[in-house]
Amino acid sequence: SQQGEEDPQALSIQEGENATMNCSYKTSINNLQWYRQNSGRGLVHLILIRSNEREKHSGRLRVTLDTSKKSSSLLITASRAADTASYFCATKAGGTSYGKLTFGQGTILTVHP
Amino acid sequence: SQTIHQWPATLVQPVGSPLSLECTVEGTSNPNLYWYRQAAGRGLQLLFYSVGIGQISSEVPQNLSASRPQDRQFILSSKKLLLSDSGFYLCAWSRDRRLGGYTFGSGTRLTVV
Repeated sequence: SQQGEEDPQALSIQEGENATMNCSYKTSINNLQWYRQNSGRGLVHLILIRSNEREKHSGRLRVTLDTSKKSSSLLITASRAADTASYFCATKAGGTSYGKLTFGQGTILTVHP
Repeated sequence: SQTIHQWPATLVQPVGSPLSLECTVEGTSNPNLYWYRQAAGRGLQLLFYSVGIGQISSEVPQNLSASRPQDRQFILSSKKLLLSDSGFYLCAWSRDRRLGGYTFGSGTRLTVV
């Protein structure tokens, strides 16, 4: 079953605008991660936020986590055409899970120059 | 530095033929290794994971099998491919068993005809 569900499924914006993607999950987690995938390529790890953290920043990326609502958001500020990609959230369950991640369906982001 | 190699990049195979996809990791020892399948550029489905040589766990019943003959080698196989085995196969390793942040290979696009 899909633990993470992203919203929206597709997002189209102009260069310079901010892009916000949301992720919801169902069970308790150890951490939540965001990945980026360019078309036809492998996924690249962007950022990890632990269950006891509420916000994290990395360059133009800002991730928030609300464990009470079981949701997370990824904000990309001042977007660029090169940010065009699919973005996935992934959750790691607590306990002995052998590092397994459960991925959502992803948000396809298109940034128009 | 750690790197992950996955090959081939693309593969077209007839129904009923065997399959062998290989994944190797360099620059680390005793990694957790994972095989995921991605359909139509959307979410990833965990197929197999391995926490050590010869230790394979299957997440979903299917026509595929996996093996880990060496510490940094993970192989995905099938004796007879089905049309439904088509997809994008991704290998990943985790440097931190507790957190589960992944590094992905570049993927193999498999088309069964």
